[in-house]
Amino acid sequence: QEQLVESGGGVVQPGRSLRLSCAASGFTFYSYAMHWVRQAPGKGLDWVAFISYNGGEKEYADSVKGRFTISRDNSKNMLYLQMSALRPDDTAVYSCARVLRDGYNYDYFDTWGQGTLVTVSS
Amino acid sequence: IQLTQSPSSLSASVGDRVTITCRASQDISGYLAWYQQKPGRAPKLLIYAASTLQSGVPSRFSGSGSGAHYILTISSLHPEDFATYYCQQLYGYPPITFGSGTKVDI
Repeated sequence: QEQLVESGGGVVQPGRSLRLSCAASGFTFYSYAMHWVRQAPGKGLDWVAFISYNGGEKEYADSVKGRFTISRDNSKNMLYLQMSALRPDDTAVYSCARVLRDGYNYDYFDTWGQGTLVTVSS
Repeated sequence: IQLTQSPSSLSASVGDRVTITCRASQDISGYLAWYQQKPGRAPKLLIYAASTLQSGVPSRFSGSGSGAHYILTISSLHPEDFATYYCQQLYGYPPITFGSGTKVDI
């Protein structure tokens, strides 16, 4: 059974850093591209970052570009999100998601973790 | 690409037919997915490629549309369908964008 479990969230002061982790199990992690998505309390879903199956391609939302870094360790089945220069509006539940592509090149997020809460506050 | 989802909320009864609309700011050529989210839970994929039902999702859920206009239909609302629904576009990302959500309650 495919599973994603996030960890590393917590309360952090503005301007500080935090690293989130996402542990994958039940599937061949190295075969899949991955994303981070966040959801502020009571708000909608907000895409954060993408990484290709081998880490060669990375993309970011404009709101986090230059501050967040996505990475992966395929030998450990782990996905990471290094967050720096954190701001109060980064407060959210951060979830990792697996992306699949069908035979017609349509992508979709088929597996999501439960998320880890990051609170940026002084 | 902006997604405008409507309505933002709706009240319905068990057995009702429910439709949710998602309009993109440009043609997204069917690169659209729909998700259901319940409080405290991860989103669940319902539909991808605008109209393809994800494995294991009940057939009362269906998706339609093309170009910049898409619709999620629940043909007969079940008690477990009360949740928030989001559309998502994946056309030429980045960036990926989500609609603002539609809360379906009793």
